[in-house]
Amino acid sequence: EPEVTQTPSHQVTQMGQEVILRCVPISNHLYFYWYRQILGQKVEFLVSFYNNEISEKSEIFDDQFSVERPDGSNFTLKIRSTKLEDSAMYFCASSDGPGETQYFGPGTRLTVL
Amino acid sequence: GENVEQHPSTLSVQEGDSAVIKCTYSDSASNYFPWYKQELGKRPQLIIDIRSNVGEKKDQRIAVTLNKTAKHFSLHITETQPEDSAVYFCAASFIYNQGGKLIFGQGTELSVKP
Repeated sequence: EPEVTQTPSHQVTQMGQEVILRCVPISNHLYFYWYRQILGQKVEFLVSFYNNEISEKSEIFDDQFSVERPDGSNFTLKIRSTKLEDSAMYFCASSDGPGETQYFGPGTRLTVL
Repeated sequence: GENVEQHPSTLSVQEGDSAVIKCTYSDSASNYFPWYKQELGKRPQLIIDIRSNVGEKKDQRIAVTLNKTAKHFSLHITETQPEDSAVYFCAASFIYNQGGKLIFGQGTELSVKP
């Protein structure tokens, strides 16, 4: 069964550094999402992406965040200047339709020191 | 703003008993309500979902009910087993042409004691 994959599984970075989190959505899916989960807390929506455009973003997704689909398979989340409070598990998700199941990747644990 | 409240935060049951988790949502335009199970350190996995045109849905030991008027929905697990132990998240979503973000509840840590 196809799955969403994410790399790296764990990323450690220094405060102020840029990080890029990578995701490979399920191949026939057209709708892509990023969520984050701070340890012990709920999953929070960051951004949704369709047709090479951001379709919606949350208050968390400020100017330090950006997303890109650089090719036909990858979907990336970039944080330009990381802060301590960016430390969290970041999940990518994809779906094949706007009302269809969102399948989550295994997550990237980001630790900002 | 959009919000989903989930209760209880922790739930401990004996194997074989039933477990019920309840959620309320604020956005009356929400029309899709999935439930995810998350084991420690793993990804959230969909276990059941319901859309706003349906009041109840069942899949083996798992059922979900939706009351649109009251804006609440519930997960029912019958004949619980130790492997049901996990954190369960409800979510609500408004679906539109360009997608549909999920707004999650705070999660319920279910512990099934053998």
